[in-house]
Amino acid sequence: KAGVTQTPRYLIKTRGQQVTLSCSPISGHRSVSWYQQTPGQGLQFLFEYFSETQRNKGNFPGRFSGRQFSNSRSEMNVSTLELGDSALYLCASSPQGTYNEQFFGPGTRLTVL
Amino acid sequence: AQRVTQPEKLLSVFKGAPVELKCNYSYSGSPELFWYVQYSRQRLQLLLRHISRESIKGFTADLNKGETSFHLKKPFAQEEDSAMYYCALKIGGNTPLVFGKGTRLSVIA
Repeated sequence: KAGVTQTPRYLIKTRGQQVTLSCSPISGHRSVSWYQQTPGQGLQFLFEYFSETQRNKGNFPGRFSGRQFSNSRSEMNVSTLELGDSALYLCASSPQGTYNEQFFGPGTRLTVL
Repeated sequence: AQRVTQPEKLLSVFKGAPVELKCNYSYSGSPELFWYVQYSRQRLQLLLRHISRESIKGFTADLNKGETSFHLKKPFAQEEDSAMYYCALKIGGNTPLVFGKGTRLSVIA
């Protein structure tokens, strides 16, 4: 099976802009989770979607949002970008939810100038 | 809130030496503990989980509820073990994984 794919792989934006990142899970996987990875904070959970519904949400401001489509593909959106949003954004998919092993994508590197 | 602490940012060992990557957690119940690994230019991947009680690539980890620890051990380090290692916890069901900040293991030839 093809692995989790994320697009784009690299992105440069300026403060105040918004950005949309995309994640295609492994075929048959219905759960998609998003994480923010930074050198200082490590991996922090953003949210999880299952069958088009947000099932869990991390402690991030409302500027961070996401959605999942009927084919399980997911997008996350960050509005009004801040310098501190510069990070590697990882997507992970699993068959049913986080109690299954999660398979990670390569990440999208977002740089905010 | 649950927390995972990996006290060492960087751990350097010589090839053939024993390795122990420390992981402590804060949670009063019965958690599920995991070790994830990220090799250079590769994706984050599951190494092992405590409920499996298995050895992967020579690594083992035992959950010690009394000390709230889940240290990762290997008796003889190999150069290919050099990677970033993350300890993670979940408290059950479909709750999110909580990751530690990671330890970079460097095995010196």
